[in-house]
Amino acid sequence: ETGVTQTPRHLVMGMTNKKSLKCEQHLGHNAMYWYKQSAKKPLELMFVYNFKEQTENNSVPSRFSPECPNSSHLFLHLHTLQPEDSALYLCASSLAIANTGELFFGEGSRLTVL
Amino acid sequence: QKEVEQNSGPLSVPEGAIASLNCTYSDRGSQSFFWYRQYSGKSPELIMFIYSNGDKEDGRFTAQLNKASQYVSLLIRDSQPSDSATYLCAVNVIGNTGKLIFGQGTTLQVKP
Repeated sequence: ETGVTQTPRHLVMGMTNKKSLKCEQHLGHNAMYWYKQSAKKPLELMFVYNFKEQTENNSVPSRFSPECPNSSHLFLHLHTLQPEDSALYLCASSLAIANTGELFFGEGSRLTVL
Repeated sequence: QKEVEQNSGPLSVPEGAIASLNCTYSDRGSQSFFWYRQYSGKSPELIMFIYSNGDKEDGRFTAQLNKASQYVSLLIRDSQPSDSATYLCAVNVIGNTGKLIFGQGTTLQVKP
């Protein structure tokens, strides 16, 4: 395994479901990120973790709940989502917070909310 | 006002030409600037970064930064069809909080 791995790659869920996205990085990095990419919109930062401590919550609704048990793993727990939450969710890592511009992205989890 | 602004394109250039991609940013205190390339259906990958005013060259790519004008650009010389992708400009907000602001991206089409 190399780089940043995200599972599942595709997810379809109803508005009342609870699901989780998983991200794992094998780069020895200490900072991890969740980004949201919607059509026709810029990449939108959601959460930042530095040494498994959250340093940024970019005003994300509470129906998105991140979890970072260690520097290599990051989760995004989803519940009672809305159709407008359908998007590509990208996990990324960087060596440190100071290297936040030098991101390594996973392939993303394509989420569809029905 | 958008924090990082790019023309969404598409920008169409013939093979072998120079492609010029532009980006403006609103936060005058921004310190570091990045260009990512995103192929259709793929995730973004970092191709260039620049911290100081002036030009920075890496192979066929040149990043240009003008902090006074709050302007950063990416030049691609000898454009190839394989350069066809969306190019994302990103700016680091000062303070090392981990907050990177992306533009909407410019789609580049290089026609054979």
